[in-house]
Amino acid sequence: GAGVSQSPSNKVTEKGKDVELRCDPISGHTALYWYRQSLGQGLEFLIYFQGNSAPDKSGLPSDRFSAERTGGSVSTLTIQRTQQEDSAVYLCASSSGAKTLTGELFFGEGSRLTVL
Amino acid sequence: DQQVKQNSPSLSVQEGRISILNCDYTNSMFDYFLWYKKYPAEGPTFLISISSIKDKNEDGRFTVFLNKSAKHLSLHIVPSQPGDSAVYFCAASANRDDKIIFGKGTRLHILP
Repeated sequence: GAGVSQSPSNKVTEKGKDVELRCDPISGHTALYWYRQSLGQGLEFLIYFQGNSAPDKSGLPSDRFSAERTGGSVSTLTIQRTQQEDSAVYLCASSSGAKTLTGELFFGEGSRLTVL
Repeated sequence: DQQVKQNSPSLSVQEGRISILNCDYTNSMFDYFLWYKKYPAEGPTFLISISSIKDKNEDGRFTVFLNKSAKHLSLHIVPSQPGDSAVYFCAASANRDDKIIFGKGTRLHILP
């Protein structure tokens, strides 16, 4: 597809289980971001991949969260031993990187995670 | 530590009038600012941006003003239309290579 694709769109899991969220960025985009939006909150930065550089993981809330980006394209966000406070919409965005004129991010529709 | 602050969680404006959304930032290294619009159940979409070398950027009904000394920017929408009802996020980055930090958003209601 032409846009950023995320899966699953909805995920309900039990506390303590691990979850994986997937992001397919726009083809050719070198920058990929993960954000999350909890109920009533803004967009919280989680992690940022730019080309072959080491990812900026400064926003990951705990060591239960990790992300990887394989081959500079698809990214997976993994949450281990999920807690109820992990419930949120997880948004992925990509951009064409440093040389864009606008620095515009293109967002997916998000993966809504509910931890029971 | 909120580096990008949107202190008004919501704003209601009459259709046809001007909507003014405000944003403050604390990081003096930020040199690029963006506004995004978000409808329910959709991802945010880019609206307008401004570089720190400018103090104003205009695109149709949307104008962003930047006051670097006050570390403040605002988005003006005029005239406001019903389709403008959405959540508006202010965002900033230290340079175009760096991560983009978002504020908490302001929900704009356009009243008929």
